[in-house]
Amino acid sequence: EAGVTQFPSHSVIEKGQTVTLRCDPISGHDNLYWYRRVMGKEIKFLLHFVKESKQDESGMPNNRFLAERTGGTYSTLKVQPAELEDSGVYFCASSLSGTGGFSEQFFGPGTRLTVL
Amino acid sequence: RKEVEQDPGPFNVPEGATVAFNCTYSNSASQSFFWYRQDCRKEPKLLMSVYSSGNEDGRFTAQLNRASQYISLLIRDSKLSDSATYLCVVNVESNYQLIWGAGTKLIIKP
Repeated sequence: EAGVTQFPSHSVIEKGQTVTLRCDPISGHDNLYWYRRVMGKEIKFLLHFVKESKQDESGMPNNRFLAERTGGTYSTLKVQPAELEDSGVYFCASSLSGTGGFSEQFFGPGTRLTVL
Repeated sequence: RKEVEQDPGPFNVPEGATVAFNCTYSNSASQSFFWYRQDCRKEPKLLMSVYSSGNEDGRFTAQLNRASQYISLLIRDSKLSDSATYLCVVNVESNYQLIWGAGTKLIIKP
């Protein structure tokens, strides 16, 4: 079974440009998460989808970030306009529907974003 | 204060030795606890969940002390392949987001 996939694996853009990251979760996983690791810091939660609905977007840094999950399948994370501090590794994860217990989150390989 | 604190290391340990990592968390409402492993430039992968009674998986033993808000991971008979960054992760009740420590880097030397 395919794991979580992310595209692109690397992206180098200039400040002010727009970048869109894509995540395809494991088939059948209703929960989809975005996390980010800025160099030298811990991984930080960005947001959580349940199917196509945003369940928790408390970690989104500002309104330059827009996440969507149309149809409850793949998700995109758009950064517009990108700033230098947006550089980092963006991880996507997915998990099965929770039934009161915690479901393991499986991570994709990440997209390494560099803003120059 | 960070929500999850870990010693960043690196821990340089000879092959075959036993090594222990510790982690503290600040939110007393934390309900689920995990150790993730991350290899260089790879995604984090779940190593093991941590249960209140403590649990073991092969050479790995995890323990939780809720009173002290402290989690530990013990690796016995360390292998070269254990070299990685070990991430302490917690989850607050009713909240699916994972809260991460910055990780402890482990280097096993032959």
